[in-house]
Amino acid sequence: GQNIDQPTEMTATEGAIVQINCTYQTSGFNGLFWYQQHAGEAPTFLSYNVLDGLEEKGRFSSFLSRSKGYSYLLLKELQMKDSASYLCAVLNTGFQKLVFGTGTRLLVSP
Amino acid sequence: ETGVTQTPRHLVMGMTNKKSLKCEQHLGHNAMYWYKQSAKKPLELMFVYNFKEQTENNSVPSRFSPECPNSSHLFLHLHTLQPEDSALYLCASSQGQGPGNTIYFGEGSWLTVV
Repeated sequence: GQNIDQPTEMTATEGAIVQINCTYQTSGFNGLFWYQQHAGEAPTFLSYNVLDGLEEKGRFSSFLSRSKGYSYLLLKELQMKDSASYLCAVLNTGFQKLVFGTGTRLLVSP
Repeated sequence: ETGVTQTPRHLVMGMTNKKSLKCEQHLGHNAMYWYKQSAKKPLELMFVYNFKEQTENNSVPSRFSPECPNSSHLFLHLHTLQPEDSALYLCASSQGQGPGNTIYFGEGSWLTVV
């Protein structure tokens, strides 16, 4: 079976650091994506991890452990505009089949 | 601006209507997708086209009929839908299929079936 788990909702304060976890069990693995989706807008690409370790991109970092079926997205120096849903998605083997989690809704307060 | 444009952004249709959703990508990509996003559910892949050929139909009911006339355009034809089909329908594209090909999404078409 295929299963991707992430928390439904998180809250944090402006300027703080927040870590959004994602655990997965999928048939095959060709990488893990994180997307950001503001309400009523398109999901936008944040990061792609296919090897174990940490990928840093500005205020956002993403970590992957394939042996543990685990990833996290780390957001530093939170801003109000970071309030959005964060979608974890795993790319199966075969034809570009992205399997999504239900998303984590992050609310950043002043 | 994501490079993937969807129209209409909002659509209300009756269960006996026939309507179509349109998607156009300006990224020079070869693969295009339809996803469905319902409240409190994960994004669900519906269809995949690669070089205009359908490569995936994720057990979607026949009341949804995709059409891909070329690599830049994708349609979703809707006929005799049910209220539970009300959702956000997202079009997406990628350069190719396989590892390392990032999928870029359009802003979606909000569909309400009454």
